[in-house]
Amino acid sequence: AQTVTQSQPEMSVQEAETVTLSCTYDTSESDYYLFWYKQPPSRQMILVIRQEAYKQQNATENRFSVNFQKAAKSFSLKISDSQLGDAAMYFCASTGANSKLTFGKGITLSVRP
Amino acid sequence: EAGVVQSPRYKIIEKKQPVAFWCNPISGHNTLYWYLQNLGQGPELLIRYENEEAVDDSQLPKDRFSAERLKGVDSTLKIQPAELGDSAVYLCASSFSGSEQYFGPGTRLTVT
Repeated sequence: AQTVTQSQPEMSVQEAETVTLSCTYDTSESDYYLFWYKQPPSRQMILVIRQEAYKQQNATENRFSVNFQKAAKSFSLKISDSQLGDAAMYFCASTGANSKLTFGKGITLSVRP
Repeated sequence: EAGVVQSPRYKIIEKKQPVAFWCNPISGHNTLYWYLQNLGQGPELLIRYENEEAVDDSQLPKDRFSAERLKGVDSTLKIQPAELGDSAVYLCASSFSGSEQYFGPGTRLTVT
């Protein structure tokens, strides 16, 4: 079984600044994947970034990067140069061999102009 | 390339009425998922299809929910009869052999 915990319900960041969203997880599987999804008010769930657990190198996608600490079971998302369009709910998720996605409760990110 | 298509986007029904949601996955994606998302929560898996076979329906309330994926492409999720507690967003997602999942825009169901 997998669990994903996002303990911060909401965060706010100034436009152009950097923000880090926290996530911890627990899994009994040795091979798994971790994801961050973005869900704007339109409800479309958009994949932001993905990390394979067997890779030590942290994934990066343009302004988005992760800090993957496998031993601590921590998977945080860093958004650099925040933009107004980054405002949304962000979900951390994990999946194992059965490809079942387990989501956290999400965090609402607001961006101040 | 077209994404995952869902219809309708919104549906309002009275309790005890039936309702159906339709999903068309990304072309070539053999795995299809239906998720339930309550307000302020993350999505929860209802059922997963590999081609036309339901390989994980353990979270599907089978007394009132049913799903099908004839021919391994489109899928329909049905609720009969609907209850007030079924009000939520129903998301469909697809992937190729269990790789990253791509989501549709969802159907927001309101049961009155």
